[in-house]
Amino acid sequence: DTAVSQTPKYLVTQMGNDKSIKCEQNLGHDTMYWYKQDSKKFLKIMFSYNNKELIINETVPNRFSPKSPDKAHLNLHINSLELGDSAVYFCASSHPGRRGNEQFFGPGTRLTVL
Amino acid sequence: QQQVKQSPQSLIVQKGGISIINCAYENTAFDYFPWYQQFPGKGPALLIAIRPDVSEKKEGRFTISFNKSAKQFSLHIMDSQPGDSATYFCAASTGAGGTSYGKLTFGQGTILTVHP
Repeated sequence: DTAVSQTPKYLVTQMGNDKSIKCEQNLGHDTMYWYKQDSKKFLKIMFSYNNKELIINETVPNRFSPKSPDKAHLNLHINSLELGDSAVYFCASSHPGRRGNEQFFGPGTRLTVL
Repeated sequence: QQQVKQSPQSLIVQKGGISIINCAYENTAFDYFPWYQQFPGKGPALLIAIRPDVSEKKEGRFTISFNKSAKQFSLHIMDSQPGDSATYFCAASTGAGGTSYGKLTFGQGTILTVHP
């Protein structure tokens, strides 16, 4: 009965590799997000999709490509991983207008690039 | 550009004390101000939120005070408990009740430690 789930929880990889993180929500929300939390715990939005359409793209390098096959899923693919990509990535979902657009976050994926 | 500034970075409080975290914003178009709580290894979760048409909102031991003219808002945790130890984030967004897609701008976070 998990609301927002992400896989994998931990991801350790070498520089230059390509990796994907998957996100699924079973809340029936229309909007999904990807956030990056750096080592200082600062949270910054990367992307947002509404009904499978990209609506927010916050000057993220082209190496990051989100894909939304349906409104319950939002995956994040990262090409040519760099050391600076090491962070915790959170997926979130919301339904605009409900409770002021409360966002429900997943448990996070800790990405470590060696 | 940091649009929401949060302080302090860390806070240590004794059990039963009051924890106060402050935030200031720049964008006058913000109309929704939530606070999120994050425990280690978990994602943030909504704690309490306020809209600028009220100056205070209380839910249990948690209270948001909002000062629209000063563009500041704060979180007060009364009777702080060790279980409240977590990282707290203030945030702001526009279009709270409409069709906006809720881009949240977060503050830098405050690590709260409540000693027994």
